[in-house]
Amino acid sequence: KAGVTQTPRYLIKTRGQQVTLSCSPISGHRSVSWYQQTPGQGLQFLFEYFSETQRNKGNFPGRFSGRQFSNSRSEMNVSTLELGDSALYLCASGPGLAGAGGETQYFGPGTRLLVL
Amino acid sequence: AQSVAQPEDQVNVAEGNPLTVKCTYSVSGNPYLFWYVQYPNRGLQFLLKYITGDNLVKGSYGFEAEFNKSQTSFHLKKPSALVSDSALYFCAVGSGNNAGNMLTFGGGTRLMVKP
Repeated sequence: KAGVTQTPRYLIKTRGQQVTLSCSPISGHRSVSWYQQTPGQGLQFLFEYFSETQRNKGNFPGRFSGRQFSNSRSEMNVSTLELGDSALYLCASGPGLAGAGGETQYFGPGTRLLVL
Repeated sequence: AQSVAQPEDQVNVAEGNPLTVKCTYSVSGNPYLFWYVQYPNRGLQFLLKYITGDNLVKGSYGFEAEFNKSQTSFHLKKPSALVSDSALYFCAVGSGNNAGNMLTFGGGTRLMVKP
């Protein structure tokens, strides 16, 4: 099976702009989660989508949003970019079994966003 | 709230020697524990996980981890380190309260294996 794919891999934006990142999960996986990785804050959970519904949300401002499509592909959007949004954004997919906190999450290569 | 601590920012070992990367956790309820590895400019690769059962969990690339409930630890181990094991290692705890999939990560430990 193909792994999790993320596009684009690299992105440069300026403050105030918005950006959309895309994630295609492993075939058959219904859960998609997004994480932000920065040197200062480490890996932080953004949100999880399952069957087109947001199931969990981390502690991020409303500028960060996401959605999931019927084919399980997901996008995340960051509006009004700030310098601190520069990070590696990782997408992870899993089968999405309900109540499965022990479910393995498989990560994509990430999108590296630089905000100037 | 659940949390994970990796007390060492960096671990240095010589090739061929055993390695241990430490992890302690805090959760309410049953812990679901994971180890991931990250190579430069790459995403996270799953190594192993503990859900229930035997306290010694075997994973990919010869890695194993020992779950210790009384010490709330989940240390990653390998009997003989390789230079190619040099990477960033993350311990994580998964939500286990029917709230879906959300991983809480430790700060990461950089493993340096020297020839």
